[in-house]
Amino acid sequence: QKEVEQNSGPLSVPEGAIASLNCTYSDRGSQSFFWYRQYSGKSPELIMSIYSNGDKEDGRFTAQLNKASQYVSLLIRDSQPSDSATYLCAVNMGGGYQKVTFGTGTKLQVIP
Amino acid sequence: EADIYQTPRYLVIGTGKKITLECSQTMGHDKMYWYQQDPGMELHLIHYSYGVNSTEKGDLSSESTVSRIRTEHFPLTLESARPSHTSQYLCASSEDVLGYTFGSGTRLTVV
Repeated sequence: QKEVEQNSGPLSVPEGAIASLNCTYSDRGSQSFFWYRQYSGKSPELIMSIYSNGDKEDGRFTAQLNKASQYVSLLIRDSQPSDSATYLCAVNMGGGYQKVTFGTGTKLQVIP
Repeated sequence: EADIYQTPRYLVIGTGKKITLECSQTMGHDKMYWYQQDPGMELHLIHYSYGVNSTEKGDLSSESTVSRIRTEHFPLTLESARPSHTSQYLCASSEDVLGYTFGSGTRLTVV
């Protein structure tokens, strides 16, 4: 079992719809959770971080964390074609070294 | 403006050459990382550093080496480049439990 699992996609949604991206992780001691957006040929860009159970909203993005279920998700409201990218889930497994493990990413396609 | 810089952006080099990929950050972050990523594939950690004079190998076996003599500088060196080293190399830095800031990457091609 991978430490951080994501569906590779592609996930296709029509413009204006809600895109829902999911991620599960294996280490119950994980402390910090991140979502990165990576456009093709570019480097990852941090878009959301979440540290406690519940929802965290930032503009059109909402991160949701459920530590009991070891599950973190990213919702993108009013999806735009410019949101088309690969979204990487990253989990800080804790410990003295900030060991962040990345998932393989979910490719999102927003259809105009 | 605080940022993280990688040079060169693109590099095509012959087999057997020694190369150094540069990474510098102006944010004063103690932690720095090197990742390798092939197109459409996942990120693989190859080296990381807690601070000056601290370097460790990551999860992916790599023939590269790194050094951390100054907080802001974390260069990666390949003593003898091979075609199997062709990939994108991403440098990142972070502070405590906050997320990473990535550089623009170096796309290396070894011919």
